[in-house]
Amino acid sequence: GESVGLHLPTLSVQEGDNSIINCAYSNSASDYFIWYKQESGKGPQFIIDIRSNMDKRQGQRVTVLLNKTVKHLSLQIAATQPGDSAVYFCAERGNQGGKLIFGQGTELSVKP
Amino acid sequence: EPEVTQTPSHQVTQMGQEVILRCVPISNHLYFYWYRQILGQKVEFLVSFYNNEISEKSEIFDDQFSVERPDGSNFTLKIRSTKLEDSAMYFCASRVPGLATGGSYNEQFFGPGTRLTVL
Repeated sequence: GESVGLHLPTLSVQEGDNSIINCAYSNSASDYFIWYKQESGKGPQFIIDIRSNMDKRQGQRVTVLLNKTVKHLSLQIAATQPGDSAVYFCAERGNQGGKLIFGQGTELSVKP
Repeated sequence: EPEVTQTPSHQVTQMGQEVILRCVPISNHLYFYWYRQILGQKVEFLVSFYNNEISEKSEIFDDQFSVERPDGSNFTLKIRSTKLEDSAMYFCASRVPGLATGGSYNEQFFGPGTRLTVL
């Protein structure tokens, strides 16, 4: 029979606009969170991470915000470019061993 | 820049056959992982490996799966008797122990993946 994959949430933005991708995580004990970017046919690529004792961290054109009260993580991309088009996954580290628990993913589409 | 490599990029096999997926982690890394991603779905943890033994495994990682670090560079995932539902992308990842360098705290570096198709 035919298998049906999950329908990813999508975000479509105009080139140059800012993008905000949201994620809800599950484990209040998670101490470390990461955003990964995955382009078609490739492995997840690290974007930015944040530890649970922080609520904001900035990188180059990207900012991650962590709200532990509501278990919410967001990724902000400034001046979004066509090369930013990809699926973005948040991940939480469940324990010290490093196992990552990935979220569902959001597909970002940048219109030129 | 050092990277995780995986071979083959695509493996096609018949149901019931054994497959071995190969990974070469980054050379100074000590923690190794396998994840899989069924088409269109999220990435799922399979197993973690440290100090020559499995440190954690998921429910997916049943008796049909095994991992090995046969030498100082390779890290393999074996599926003894493949099933149709094993069809997926399989990603290897590795990291250094403790704090990472270069701005991240504990980054896992992922390889490009092996696409396994079971017919």
